[in-house]
Amino acid sequence: EAQVTQNPRYLITVTGKKLTVTCSQNMNHEYMSWYRQDPGLGLRQIYYSMNVEVTDKGDVPEGYKVSRKEKRNFPLILESPSPNQTSLYFCASSLGTNSGNTIYFGEGSWLTVV
Amino acid sequence: KQEVTQIPAALSVPEGENLVLNCSFTDSAIYNLQWFRQDPGKGLTSLLLIQSSQREQTSGRLNASLDKSSGRSTLYIAASQPGDSATYLCAVTNFGNEKLTFGTGTRLTIIP
Repeated sequence: EAQVTQNPRYLITVTGKKLTVTCSQNMNHEYMSWYRQDPGLGLRQIYYSMNVEVTDKGDVPEGYKVSRKEKRNFPLILESPSPNQTSLYFCASSLGTNSGNTIYFGEGSWLTVV
Repeated sequence: KQEVTQIPAALSVPEGENLVLNCSFTDSAIYNLQWFRQDPGKGLTSLLLIQSSQREQTSGRLNASLDKSSGRSTLYIAASQPGDSATYLCAVTNFGNEKLTFGTGTRLTIIP
């Protein structure tokens, strides 16, 4: 089954404690991306990756890091989380969004920073 | 900078009615426009994708149209059912990057 898997799904952490949200896809997709979803603001792109070792900033990259060492994995790293990073995070993948291919989303990761 | 707007933010209709959801965007230089469905606490599911050269796409009871020159798209849902209750989001991909710009969504409730 085609899947984008995120972990953890739910996390409460404290300010400044580094955390990583993992994302894995089993569809051999080249394109992967991270979004955050906040009430009234919709989904905003954090980072995206067009292929292995290629990553670019989205609209709201501050406070986040990513890596793409393998095609299937695209972890999101919060080096020093702050309360304004409390949000619902989604990972997504596709063969390429400008070529008419379906984009698949993970189930989301609820992150609370206290 | 591309901006995508969806109005209304919420909509309630009786079961069985046909309905239209609206999406507008400010920059017409797009590759495609997509409609997604999001159920509470869940991820997004792609419903329809319209390429910039197309005017509409259909899937079952759903029909999406695109008028690129006016920066508008509509999602038509025929014979609505309670299972259609969800938040519907549209998103566009601009030329020159792989970024999806999302609207804030319309929360649809179908009343049995």
